[in-house]
Amino acid sequence: QKEVEQNSGPLSVPEGAIASLNCTYSDRGSQSFFWYRQYSGKSPELIMSIYSNGDKEDGRFTAQLNKASQYVSLLIRDSQPSDSATYLCAVLRISNDYKLSFGAGTTVTVRA
Amino acid sequence: GAVVSQHPSRVICKSGTSVKIECRSLDFQATTMFWYRQFPKQSLMLMATSNEGSKATYEQGVEKDKFLINHASLTLSTLTVTSAHPEDSSFYICSARDIANEQYFGPGTRLTVT
Repeated sequence: QKEVEQNSGPLSVPEGAIASLNCTYSDRGSQSFFWYRQYSGKSPELIMSIYSNGDKEDGRFTAQLNKASQYVSLLIRDSQPSDSATYLCAVLRISNDYKLSFGAGTTVTVRA
Repeated sequence: GAVVSQHPSRVICKSGTSVKIECRSLDFQATTMFWYRQFPKQSLMLMATSNEGSKATYEQGVEKDKFLINHASLTLSTLTVTSAHPEDSSFYICSARDIANEQYFGPGTRLTVT
């Protein structure tokens, strides 16, 4: 079982719609959870971090964490063509010397 | 927000030569930095963890004598690819971890070995 799993996509949504990205993790001891956005040919950019159960909103982005289900998600509201990118879910574990474990990424395409 | 720089952004070198890549945290101190490699359309692969003032910790399968890492200060880590070969051509990305355990990535260095 992979440490962090994401739907590989690609996920195609029309402009203005909500894009929903899912991520599950295997280690119940995981502490911190992050979403990164990576444009083609560029390095990842941190867009959201979440540490406790519930929702966290930042602009058009909402991260949701459910530790009991070992599930974290990212919602992108009012999707724009500029949101077209690969989104990486990352999980931090003390047991892994505080190194991030990354999912394979979900590629999102927003259709104009 | 936290800013991490990398230099150079792009480098082309001949097979057998060495290349040094610098990673700097510009507005925060990073006791820990990480070096990743990414091949086209693949996910990030962690190569090593760089701790200020101590030896780097390499991931399994990464040759420490080929990929030399030095973390000389709280804001600077360097990766030297020694005796580079065409198969070392890749996108090398560093990241720095802040006090809140959030990790910020540099813009990456695209290495091409001819």
